[in-house]
Amino acid sequence: GENVEQHPSTLSVQEGDSAVIKCTYSDSASNYFPWYKQELGKRPQLIIDIRSNVGEKKDQRIAVTLNKTAKHFSLHITETQPEDSAVYFCAASNGGGADGLTFGKGTHLIIQP
Amino acid sequence: EAQVTQNPRYLITVTGKKLTVTCSQNMNHEYMSWYRQDPGLGLRQIYYSMNVEVTDKGDVPEGYKVSRKEKRNFPLILESPSPNQTSLYFCASSLRQGEAFFGQGTRLTVV
Repeated sequence: GENVEQHPSTLSVQEGDSAVIKCTYSDSASNYFPWYKQELGKRPQLIIDIRSNVGEKKDQRIAVTLNKTAKHFSLHITETQPEDSAVYFCAASNGGGADGLTFGKGTHLIIQP
Repeated sequence: EAQVTQNPRYLITVTGKKLTVTCSQNMNHEYMSWYRQDPGLGLRQIYYSMNVEVTDKGDVPEGYKVSRKEKRNFPLILESPSPNQTSLYFCASSLRQGEAFFGQGTRLTVV
């Protein structure tokens, strides 16, 4: 089955700086790569996703890049703000949706004032 | 309002006492899943369902059962809970290759 590795497990950055979280996956058939943000005590919520026919996607301060050849994808957050502090999870799927997502172990992002 | 609803939110039970955690979605999604979240281990899939009467094992199915008799409901059943099933549980639903919507979570403690 699919295996998703996520690094780093903890990331501390100064407010206003950029943050990058990286994930690798093992199944070359995976074609859907979402990122979820989980604030303390809350449920995970989708912040951005990318499909295998696209190399990059941006949404305001958030971007995701995908390298299918190397089987890795990354989340980039620019101009970080205190409200970006949370745990971020990457996931991969070859079917997409709630049936087939394999998650990384998560990155605790800490924004230092 | 589109949502996934889990009940109960918190549950403390004793070893061996059967329990059910309910999950209901109002978005007419075909796909539903159960995950457990443990510190340092991320979200691990327990069971999933691609439609009514269709269920399959995820990565950590031992000790759990599910059923999908109706499209909107996907209960998680622990026939004989043990302390190693103490965890935070999330139900999720989606369309195929679509955003997974998560419930509020159920924090289960088995003593």
